[in-house]
Amino acid sequence: GIQVEQSPPDLILQEGANSTLRCNFSDSVNNLQWFHQNPWGQLINLFYIPSGTKQNGRLSATTVATERYSLLYISSSQTTDSGVYFCARLGGNQFYFGTGTSLTVIP
Amino acid sequence: DTEVTQTPKHLVMGMTNKKSLKCEQHMGHRAMYWYKQKAKKPPELMFVYSYEKLSINESVPSRFSPECPNSSLLNLHLHALQPEDSALYLCASSQRDTYQPSLGTGELFFGEGSRLTVL
Repeated sequence: GIQVEQSPPDLILQEGANSTLRCNFSDSVNNLQWFHQNPWGQLINLFYIPSGTKQNGRLSATTVATERYSLLYISSSQTTDSGVYFCARLGGNQFYFGTGTSLTVIP
Repeated sequence: DTEVTQTPKHLVMGMTNKKSLKCEQHMGHRAMYWYKQKAKKPPELMFVYSYEKLSINESVPSRFSPECPNSSLLNLHLHALQPEDSALYLCASSQRDTYQPSLGTGELFFGEGSRLTVL
């Protein structure tokens, strides 16, 4: 089956630090999303990025489809960035989620 | 603000109760999904509806019964649940059509979730 691996599983940052989260896939990517799940459980869309690079404020993402990975960059982290970050890719008619990266930003 | 609305936000029920979770999307999407999420785990797909037809059922126990009255509404009927069914239930929608996957993007939009506790 389709495998989606995320690293690191856990990350603790001092406020203001930068970080890179990684998502690896077992096969080619044609549809990929990054989500942030806040402490209340809501999954918030960050990027829909099948390929290339996108930026939104302090966050940016890059997907290299030919090499089967995607990266999420968080710059100048804030405590509100805490939560779990999931990547998910579409395979057939369903989305396959990675295991997530749990981020804690401390003041 | 999310355009996928779920009610109720929280639900506590006994094992003999019958209850329903409701989801509505206002984006004209063709596909709607139910996911179940346990603590510290990724969401697990339960059901997919496309054009109001059930297209995927991930071997979910019959005590969970989905219903799609129209393309904007999705219900999940709950009956005789077990304590291990306690979880966050997430509804999502996408423009992508299961029967015509070349039409629309697969971008997935989630509701805020319904947190279910079974006593």
